[in-house]
Amino acid sequence: DVKVTQSSRYLVKRTGEKVFLECVQDMDHENMFWYRQDPGLGLRLIYFSYDVKMKEKGDIPEGYSVSREKKERFSLILESASTNQTSMYLCASETSGRAVDTQYFGPGTRLTVL
Amino acid sequence: QKEVEQNSGPLSVPEGAIASLNCTYSDRGSQSFFWYRQYSGKSPELIMFIYSNGDKEDGRFTAQLNKASQYVSLLIRDSQPSDSATYLCAVSDFGNEKLTFGTGTRLTIIP
Repeated sequence: DVKVTQSSRYLVKRTGEKVFLECVQDMDHENMFWYRQDPGLGLRLIYFSYDVKMKEKGDIPEGYSVSREKKERFSLILESASTNQTSMYLCASETSGRAVDTQYFGPGTRLTVL
Repeated sequence: QKEVEQNSGPLSVPEGAIASLNCTYSDRGSQSFFWYRQYSGKSPELIMFIYSNGDKEDGRFTAQLNKASQYVSLLIRDSQPSDSATYLCAVSDFGNEKLTFGTGTRLTIIP
């Protein structure tokens, strides 16, 4: 079974704080993704990574950065948290090189920025 | 900007009936289509994917794809209360790992 874990289920931070969200997968997947999910807006891609030290912007990268130093770990960083970054953050991973790839999601981190 | 549209619902279906969930997409280059189920407070889990025109069946679930009409649907036969969830449609280009998601349809199965 694929397992994607996220460091926290719930997180409360103050405006201006630096926030780290960690994601680890145990299936040796090449591709990893960070999404945020908001009511009425659905899942939106923030950043993704095809390989170690490689990153690409998704649809809404502003205010975020990422780090992938090891294949199994993909971190999302909020350099200076703002209230509009209050959201559910979902990490996903998938293998690559197949015609149809399946993304497996972690349990999510519900972040509240006060 | 690729768009994936779903009726947000809620869609209420009696237990034992067929639930029909629909999704349209804007990019004719889309090749792969996915249905995810998301229970309240949980993360999405994949139900089915389809990439050829026509129907694909898996147990009580059938995915239908019509590329000419840019339309994909999910049918759930013999609906159960445990099917009550939000269903997300997602599309991607062939060989492109990026998924574009719809906003989801909330389905409620009424006992």
